[in-house]
Amino acid sequence: SAVISQKPSRDICQRGTSLTIQCQVDSQVTMMFWYRQQPGQSLTLIATANQGSEATYESGFVIDKFPISRPNLTFSTLTVSNMSPEDSSIYLCSVEQGKNTEAFFGQGTRLTVV
Amino acid sequence: RKEVEQDPGPFNVPEGATVAFNCTYSNSASQSFFWYRQDCRKEPKLLMSVYSSGNEDGRFTAQLNRASQYISLLIRDSKLSDSATYLCVVTHDRGSTLGRLYFGRGTQLTVWP
Repeated sequence: SAVISQKPSRDICQRGTSLTIQCQVDSQVTMMFWYRQQPGQSLTLIATANQGSEATYESGFVIDKFPISRPNLTFSTLTVSNMSPEDSSIYLCSVEQGKNTEAFFGQGTRLTVV
Repeated sequence: RKEVEQDPGPFNVPEGATVAFNCTYSNSASQSFFWYRQDCRKEPKLLMSVYSSGNEDGRFTAQLNRASQYISLLIRDSKLSDSATYLCVVTHDRGSTLGRLYFGRGTQLTVWP
């Protein structure tokens, strides 16, 4: 199974600032996914990050607000830019791996914007 | 209409009880189906895949009804450690990858002694 190290695990940030979240995977993966989970809500896909190409964003999410880097097959970052309290959420990275193609998740980043 | 709908609960049951969760999905082209478990303040983890023929893993039984676009999870002989949020997940991709996952908002279960 894939082991994903995500950091920071939590942060409290001032509005208007930016936070970069990092995900490191213990093996090479083609696609990495970034999700947001707001309180009491389901996970919502923000974007899919492929190495060597621009990330693909879902409806309602834009690159200027959530820039993503994917410099190699084991690492990705998500930046939450110009934060507002509405960005307070849990952010999770995810990869697919395994014989039966299972989705694995990082531990999540709990973000509070004040 | 949301892709995946679940009753959020909460379900509060005593140890040893049998509890069932239901989930419906809106896209008839959905290909793969899963139940994930998410403990409080933790990441989701795969509990089991759901097949058309139904599948069982110990105390857990999952079933899929494609005609009704309905997925169920049955937990028998509930344990305190079963307390968690159970997420219903579907995908549309036919290939060797899962592609985008569509999550329900989860059903919260608390098992009390």
